[in-house]
Amino acid sequence: RKEVEQDPGPFNVPEGATVAFNCTYSNSASQSFFWYRQDCRKEPKLLMSVYSSGNEDGRFTAQLNRASQYISLLIRDSKLSDSATYLCVVTDTGGFKTIFGAGTRLFVKA
Amino acid sequence: EPEVTQTPSHQVTQMGQEVILRCVPISNHLYFYWYRQILGQKVEFLVSFYNNEISEKSEIFDDQFSVERPDGSNFTLKIRSTKLEDSAMYFCASSRQGALNSEQFFGPGTRLTVL
Repeated sequence: RKEVEQDPGPFNVPEGATVAFNCTYSNSASQSFFWYRQDCRKEPKLLMSVYSSGNEDGRFTAQLNRASQYISLLIRDSKLSDSATYLCVVTDTGGFKTIFGAGTRLFVKA
Repeated sequence: EPEVTQTPSHQVTQMGQEVILRCVPISNHLYFYWYRQILGQKVEFLVSFYNNEISEKSEIFDDQFSVERPDGSNFTLKIRSTKLEDSAMYFCASSRQGALNSEQFFGPGTRLTVL
């Protein structure tokens, strides 16, 4: 089983749509969880951290289910500028090793 | 806004040659990382570095790789004898606290091409 597994993409959605990405992780002792965004041939950038209580940042909502080892990201009212690859990221118990999922590609069309 | 910088942006080398990739982390950050991303594949953790020593390294980070913080500002990744399969984008990152609690800021990457 892969350490961090994400929905295969790509997701093609119209502007204004709501889209959800899922991610599972294999190490139950993982400590911290993040969603990063990566534009084509660019560096990853933090989108948001993910907390057990769930958290929201504008149009973006992240959820963590530790029992199921599952992380989600919901994007509401998609914009053209949301087109990117979304990376699920997990940090191990020591906090020194960070594991990236393969990413889910999103295309938002006008 | 402070940012992580990396040089060069693109490095072309012959197989078997040594390369040094350079990074300048954000100045008040204490934790440093190297990652690589082979074209079309996922970002892979190589090594983390704190307090002038390696904190964690992956299976990829074998004896051919080394890291150094030679002068308190630069953070370098050396590949001693490059192989074709080392061709990838190499990202440096830094964080103020450890990765558990703190965002990692990534540099723009160095594209390494091994011929």
